[in-house]
Amino acid sequence: DSGVTQTPKHLITATGQRVTLRCSPRSGDLSVYWYQQSLDQGLQFLIHYYNGEERAKGNILERFSAQQFPDLHSELNLSSLELGDSALYFCASSVAFGRGSYNEQFFGPGTRLTVL
Amino acid sequence: DQQVKQNSPSLSVQEGRISILNCDYTNSMFDYFLWYKKYPAEGPTFLISISSIKDKNEDGRFTVFLNKSAKHLSLHIVPSQPGDSAVYFCAAVKGGGVGSGTYKYIFGTGTRLKVLA
Repeated sequence: DSGVTQTPKHLITATGQRVTLRCSPRSGDLSVYWYQQSLDQGLQFLIHYYNGEERAKGNILERFSAQQFPDLHSELNLSSLELGDSALYFCASSVAFGRGSYNEQFFGPGTRLTVL
Repeated sequence: DQQVKQNSPSLSVQEGRISILNCDYTNSMFDYFLWYKKYPAEGPTFLISISSIKDKNEDGRFTVFLNKSAKHLSLHIVPSQPGDSAVYFCAAVKGGGVGSGTYKYIFGTGTRLKVLA
């Protein structure tokens, strides 16, 4: 158990809908990262938050947005869903970010999103 | 632009032998590298890391080698066990610290290792 929790575990929805994925980082971790993994592909970095502020953006679509709240949990909002958005979405957390041991990320179990 | 590449999508190794997983990167500014292991239906878990100031780091059966001039790192697993069968991701970090906009954390595409009993 990494200490990172993600809800829900599975989500099935229809095209055009909007969903919210939730992530609670490990106690004490200030950094939260979101990743998308589609069909046996690599981990695509979406976005990184540190202590409530956005720090880096990766390949995140404009239909997607995220935020990190004062209690450090994070939500990833996916809107106008398309079939191609079906994937595993992982959240990870780390103590901080920068050099050395800060870089070890702890991953949650993921949310499997299916868009029908 | 794939800055971190794992060119072998899969690898099969006999139990007890050495597994060697490779990773190439393009950006010489990366200063920290990590390997993660991922089982199906689970999130990746951290395995071992290495700073760019070192060329080797060992942890039990796992050793990571870094060749900065070739921009190449490898993970050696000796001896390989059936429980090592998983997808292995390398990751490269360009440190920027708090307040920096230059922080990068990039994963490779993964190599599926199968250890045959």
